Amino acid sequence: GENVEQHPSTLSVQEGDSAVIKCTYSDSASNYFPWYKQELGKRPQLIIDIRSNVGEKKDQRIAVTLNKTAKHFSLHITETQPEDSAVYFCAASIKGGNMLTFGGGTRLMVKP
Amino acid sequence: DAGITQSPRHKVTETGTPVTLRCHQTENHRYMYWYRQDPGHGLRLIHYSYGVKDTDKGEVSDGYSVSRSKTEDFLLTLESATSSQTSVYFCAISESSRGSGNTIYFGEGSWLTVV
Repeated sequence: GENVEQHPSTLSVQEGDSAVIKCTYSDSASNYFPWYKQELGKRPQLIIDIRSNVGEKKDQRIAVTLNKTAKHFSLHITETQPEDSAVYFCAASIKGGNMLTFGGGTRLMVKP
Repeated sequence: DAGITQSPRHKVTETGTPVTLRCHQTENHRYMYWYRQDPGHGLRLIHYSYGVKDTDKGEVSDGYSVSRSKTEDFLLTLESATSSQTSVYFCAISESSRGSGNTIYFGEGSWLTVV
């Protein structure tokens, strides 16, 4: 089955710096790659996603890149702010897109 | 918010007792899922449903059963709760796939402690 590896597990940056989180997946049939942000005690919430026909997508300070050949995708957050502190999860679609397999999560800490 | 309600939100139960968690959606989405979240393991799929009375197992289904008698409700039952089932349980919903991947939306979570 699909295996999604996420690195690093923790990431600490200074406010204003950039943060990069990387994920690799194993199933070449995966074609949808969302990213979720989860604040303490809250539900995971979708922040950005990318489909396999696109190499990069941006939304204000966040961007996601996808390399289908190498089977990896990354989340980039620029000009980080303390409110970006949270756990971030990547995921890859399986079973024709009807389900997701998640990475283990990255705890991002933005120091003021 | 995605129109998903989970109940109960918090529960403490004793080992060996049955427990049922309920997920209710107002979006009329076809797909519903139950995930559990544990430190170091991220989100793992327990069971999912692709329609009324249509369910299938996920990667961590042992000790759990599900039922979906109506489009809007998806129940997760722990037949005989064990301490290893202490976790946060998230229900999620999505539209059916057109081959391009579903966007999945999560409920607020149910915190279950088995003592």
